[in-house]
Amino acid sequence: EAGVTQSPTHLIKTRGQQATLRCSPISGHTSVYWYQQALGLGLQFLLWYDEGEERNRGNFPPRFSGRQFPNYSSELNVNALELEDSALYLCASSWGTSGYNEQFFGPGTRLTVL
Amino acid sequence: EDQVTQSPEALRLQEGESSSLNCSYTVSGLRGLFWYRQDPGKGPEFLFTLYSAGEEKEKERLKATLTKKESFLHITAPKPEDSATYLCAVQPDSGGGADGLTFGKGTHLIIQP
Repeated sequence: EAGVTQSPTHLIKTRGQQATLRCSPISGHTSVYWYQQALGLGLQFLLWYDEGEERNRGNFPPRFSGRQFPNYSSELNVNALELEDSALYLCASSWGTSGYNEQFFGPGTRLTVL
Repeated sequence: EDQVTQSPEALRLQEGESSSLNCSYTVSGLRGLFWYRQDPGKGPEFLFTLYSAGEEKEKERLKATLTKKESFLHITAPKPEDSATYLCAVQPDSGGGADGLTFGKGTHLIIQP
């Protein structure tokens, strides 16, 4: 069974540009989560999508946004990039919305902002 | 506010030297506690889910336990390939369903041959 996939692996942008990151969940999973892992800060919850709707977001500004498509894949957009946005962005998926199910992570997209 | 604190931050062991990693948590209610392993530059790999105090789960050289305030990840006779960062995360019992997990900063474990 294929795991969570993310693209691109690496992304280099300059300040003020926009970045788009993509995620495909495990087959059968309807929930997609995005996390940011910046150096020294640990994983921080960004966004949660389920059945095409944004269900919750973490403590991040509105320039972090995304969407979920009918096939449950998801896209994270970061506008007006700042240097501190440089991080590993991780996507996870889970089955159902009970909160009892494990979240499985993809390999991540390394975003570097110059 | 939900909080997860892991200790120690880093741990260096000799091959075969058993030890335990600690995860202390503060949540309004716990729906689940999750342990992950993360290798450098990669996404976290799921290890265990624990739901209630007293629960234990084992996988190869790893055993996870849960109390009302903390969880332990016991590693028995570790091998160099067990070197990784071990992450603990909680799913609070709020809002009636799933949500983003709250993670600790992890324990960086090094097993020396």
